Amino acid sequence: AQSVSQHNHHVILSEAASLELGCNYSYGGTVNLFWYVQYPGQHLQLLLKYFSGDPLVKGIKGFEAEFIKSKFSFNLRKPSVQWSDTAEYFCAVNGGNTGKLIFGQGTTLQVKP
Amino acid sequence: SAVISQKPSRDICQRGTSLTIQCQVDSQVTMMFWYRQQPGQSLTLIATANQGSEATYESGFVIDKFPISRPNLTFSTLTVSNMSPEDSSIYLCSVMTVLSGELFFGEGSRLTVL
Repeated sequence: AQSVSQHNHHVILSEAASLELGCNYSYGGTVNLFWYVQYPGQHLQLLLKYFSGDPLVKGIKGFEAEFIKSKFSFNLRKPSVQWSDTAEYFCAVNGGNTGKLIFGQGTTLQVKP
Repeated sequence: SAVISQKPSRDICQRGTSLTIQCQVDSQVTMMFWYRQQPGQSLTLIATANQGSEATYESGFVIDKFPISRPNLTFSTLTVSNMSPEDSSIYLCSVMTVLSGELFFGEGSRLTVL
């Protein structure tokens, strides 16, 4: 069965600090990987996705993620966070291109101004 | 992209009653899904809504509790039956578009059961 694990449940950073959120998945076959963000009071939005090709993917708002197949990881990074990045971040995997997403537990990011 | 409209956006219901949530998409999509996000938790897939046939439920979810309909490519409903306070959650409709294969989420329906 597929599963997704996010290592950090709650992260607190100051503005301009660098961010890395860990995400590991378990699935033996081809996967599609996603990071979603949920700002306070808003719906889920796609930050970035990996289907194939370059394992370093760039998303919106300066976020990027690197797919490392050997480590079953898809960590999210941002060089310099802003107060407006305060949100809940979810890693998700779609194994076998079924369209069904399995979500990680989520990471709450709090950026202090 | 796909624009997803969910109704109601929120509701407060009494224990033992049922509520039907509607999901309307502005374009034809290949797949539609229903998720639940319980307070303080991540999203859990309830079922895949299949056009013109019975939905495919994930482990832990059953048709009697969460009947789903999908009469056409752009519309689906999820009913939460015989509600209890444990059903208080955000219920989200998700769709996969024909062209991009990308998944989009509606804004969700926040349900509170008293």
